[in-house]
Amino acid sequence: GAVVSQHPSRVICKSGTSVKIECRSLDFQATTMFWYRQFPKKSLMLMATSNEGSKATYEQGVEKDKFLINHASLTLSTLTVTSAHPEDSSFYICSARGTGPGSYEQYFGPGTRLTVT
Amino acid sequence: GQQVMQIPQYQHVQEGEDFTTYCNSSTTLSNIQWYKQRPGGHPVFLIQLVKSGEVKKQKRLTFQFGEAKKNSSLHITATQTTDVGTYFCVTGNQFYFGTGTSLTVIP
Repeated sequence: GAVVSQHPSRVICKSGTSVKIECRSLDFQATTMFWYRQFPKKSLMLMATSNEGSKATYEQGVEKDKFLINHASLTLSTLTVTSAHPEDSSFYICSARGTGPGSYEQYFGPGTRLTVT
Repeated sequence: GQQVMQIPQYQHVQEGEDFTTYCNSSTTLSNIQWYKQRPGGHPVFLIQLVKSGEVKKQKRLTFQFGEAKKNSSLHITATQTTDVGTYFCVTGNQFYFGTGTSLTVIP
C-alpha cells in the first residue's frame, strides 16, 4: 500500500522558535496533502489542504501566517509552526491523496508530536 | 468546519458482542469514508460509501449510508480484541473527521 512518512516524529522546541515538519509520499505522487491536528483522545481537526504548486487552503480559525504550508513537489509538503508557543503543543498528522483515477482514500503519516516549552 | 457527530463517544464490549457506531452530519454528504485508528497509530482507510442507501460489507464489518446521505453507520459483528481502536467517519470531499467512537473489547 501507499506509504506516507513524516519527519520528525517528535520535536521539543523553546517558545518563540519555529519548527518545520515534513510530510512525504514515498511511493506515489500526491497532488493533495492534508494537515491535521489531534489533541489527546480527540478527533483530527483539519487545519489546511495543500495542493502542489498552489497556495494552501486554510480552515476557519487556523492562522496561515502561523502555520506556513508549502507543497513544492508531488511528494513533499511541509508545515512550519512559526513563533511556537506552549498552546501549539499537539500531535500534527499529515495525509496524502493519490493522483490516479478513483483515488479518494487518504494515506496518513505516522504523525509528529510537538512539545513547546 | 462541518459538524459531523458520532455516537457513542466510547463503547466497551465483551469479546464476541456486536458493536455499532453512528455518524450524523448536519448537511447532505456527497460521500462518506470510514477510518480506524489504533491506539498510538494513525488513521487507516476502511471504506468509502457514495450511493444513497448503500450497504457494504468487509468480513465482520457492515457499513451503511443513509437514504438522505446525512448519516452512516458501522456495525461490527462478534467483536475481537483486534477491533480495538477509534473509528472515524470522514466527509469524503472536505475530509472533515467525525468526533470518533473509541471501542474497547474486553477479552
